[in-house]
Amino acid sequence: NAGVTQTPKFRILKIGQSMTLQCTQDMNHNYMYWYRQDPGMGLKLIYYSVGAGITDKGEVPNGYNVSRSTTEDFPLRLELAAPSQTSVYFCASRPYGQGNYGYTFGSGTRLTVV
Amino acid sequence: GQQLNQSPQSMFIQEGEDVSMNCTSSSIFNTWLWYKQDPGEGPVLLIALYKAGELTSNGRLTAQFGITRKDSFLNISASIPSDVGIYFCAGHRSNNLFFGTGTRLTVIP
Repeated sequence: NAGVTQTPKFRILKIGQSMTLQCTQDMNHNYMYWYRQDPGMGLKLIYYSVGAGITDKGEVPNGYNVSRSTTEDFPLRLELAAPSQTSVYFCASRPYGQGNYGYTFGSGTRLTVV
Repeated sequence: GQQLNQSPQSMFIQEGEDVSMNCTSSSIFNTWLWYKQDPGEGPVLLIALYKAGELTSNGRLTAQFGITRKDSFLNISASIPSDVGIYFCAGHRSNNLFFGTGTRLTVIP
């Protein structure tokens, strides 16, 4: 199993550009998440999904969009990149079930907006 | 948002020493987790705690879920160089993991 795979690993965007951060998992997990981590800080939830076709906002959703058309994939879209979106983005997944809170994280996408 | 305060922010210790770090919250969580993050990687789960008062070990790591459900601590015994990294506590509630600000551990050989 590859676990949670994120692409790209690094990206530089100009202000106003758009991009999609890709995330895929091969563990058949129902739940998937997008977090951002600013320097010296913990992770904050952007969006999450409890299954294909279902998404919901987290703590910091402004400026982002998501979709979940399959169990495996959960892309994160930035429509109009802003410097405040410079961060490291982590995708995570976990299986359905009470007590299954051991999230599996990808290795991250480091995004710089200039 | 939720505030999870971790202390200390950073630690420098000699190889072989024991380490203790803790995490406090202004609100209750039903699940506490401890993660370790290496440079350029995502967090990796170390220990999960599901019940107030629970004490759980994983090798040289021991963690406890506070009775008030507002705190947790992590101990690492006999530290080794590969323990270097950032340790995060996290509380789980309502489909969200709320992370602490992390404790950066440096182990001096």
